[in-house]
Amino acid sequence: NAGVTQTPKFRVLKTGQSMTLLCAQDMNHEYMYWYRQDPGMGLRLIHYSVGEGTTAKGEVPDGYNVSRLKKQNFLLGLESAAPSQTSVYFCASSERRVSGANVLTFGAGSRLTVL
Amino acid sequence: AQKVTQAQTEISVVEKEDVTLDCVYETRDTTYYLFWYKQPPSGELVFLIRRNSFDEQNEISGRYSWNFQKSTSSFNFTITASQVVDSAVYFCALSGFPQGGSEKLVFGKGTKLTVNP
Repeated sequence: NAGVTQTPKFRVLKTGQSMTLLCAQDMNHEYMYWYRQDPGMGLRLIHYSVGEGTTAKGEVPDGYNVSRLKKQNFLLGLESAAPSQTSVYFCASSERRVSGANVLTFGAGSRLTVL
Repeated sequence: AQKVTQAQTEISVVEKEDVTLDCVYETRDTTYYLFWYKQPPSGELVFLIRRNSFDEQNEISGRYSWNFQKSTSSFNFTITASQVVDSAVYFCALSGFPQGGSEKLVFGKGTKLTVNP
């Protein structure tokens, strides 16, 4: 019963480097999301996916790309990291909406520092 | 546009005190959902409760209770007889009625609760 697993948990990058955060869920959820959490800002949606092969922009998508090649995985990429992308990143998943708002299951978070 | 305001940035109480976390929301949707999530020091967000806009009944779960008032657009969360384990950041969130899209919660900025022994 792993739920939502994020890797890596911690990463330090230099400005301009690229990296990919991996999110994997084992609940057969249709929807997946990437949020970032910054001090005093709450959680803000970066990108989301409503199914395999589909992605869409959230509130703060600039500087990030995503891919959902497999239903269980949702990748978040930073092509050229910037200090402003220093944050804690959370992946979440939920079932396809049936009767209304579904509950999100979150991963443990990935702390990224860009120097 | 949807918005969630948690005016209390930080609250500090002594164990066994009651504490209320405020949440005020804005939405033009007639149907919507409100949530509370808890983020303990370990960092992972944990779902606490969901309410839909048609259900204004207050809810109680052990030491936790929630007061939903559409008239004031508020969804406040009260912890009775607080304990040290209640120390966490609490987020209120709002979701509009689905329109072919996915779940996109709008979160408040969170209230950090510290319960001192």
